[in-house]
Amino acid sequence: EAQVTQNPRYLITVTGKKLTVTCSQNMNHEYMSWYRQDPGLGLRQIYYSMNVEVTDKGDVPEGYKVSRKEKRNFPLILESPSPNQTSLYFCASSPGTGDTSFEQYFGPGTRLTVT
Amino acid sequence: GQNIDQPTEMTATEGAIVQINCTYQTSGFNGLFWYQQHAGEAPTFLSYNVLDGLEEKGRFSSFLSRSKGYSYLLLKELQMKDSASYLCAVKDSNYQLIWGAGTKLIIKP
Repeated sequence: EAQVTQNPRYLITVTGKKLTVTCSQNMNHEYMSWYRQDPGLGLRQIYYSMNVEVTDKGDVPEGYKVSRKEKRNFPLILESPSPNQTSLYFCASSPGTGDTSFEQYFGPGTRLTVT
Repeated sequence: GQNIDQPTEMTATEGAIVQINCTYQTSGFNGLFWYQQHAGEAPTFLSYNVLDGLEEKGRFSSFLSRSKGYSYLLLKELQMKDSASYLCAVKDSNYQLIWGAGTKLIIKP
């Protein structure tokens, strides 16, 4: 089944404790992206990757890191989480940008709480 | 700056028709998407418009006017399962998606 998977789905952690949220897609997509979603603010892009070893900042990159060593994986790293990073996080992928009609496929989401 | 506006919340009756509007101001335009998102779940793709006019897909239709920076999503024969948030997103000149905050649609019996 074609899908984007994220782990963990739920995480409660404490300020300053490094964490990684994994994202993997099995559709051979070139483009991957991380979003956070907060009430009333919609989806805000954190980082995106056009292909392996190519990553760029989105609208809200502060406090986050990513890497794209393989096409299928795009982990999100919070080196020192803070309470303002409490949010619902989505990973998404799409075939690429060559065709503007390519839609994004979303993972199930990771609900992160930082205390 | 880039901006997408949608109503925050709408209420409609089961079996009726509802129109959700979206206006945008973006750096370039490479298409407009509508997504549906049920509470606590991931967004799922509904429609894509890049040329002016109406695209129909079953009970859902989406309209675009590029000159007015305007789109709407039309939902017919509303069902209770249509209760969800509807997200409008525009692909800008860098092929990045700019998202609206979403419209929460409440369906009443």
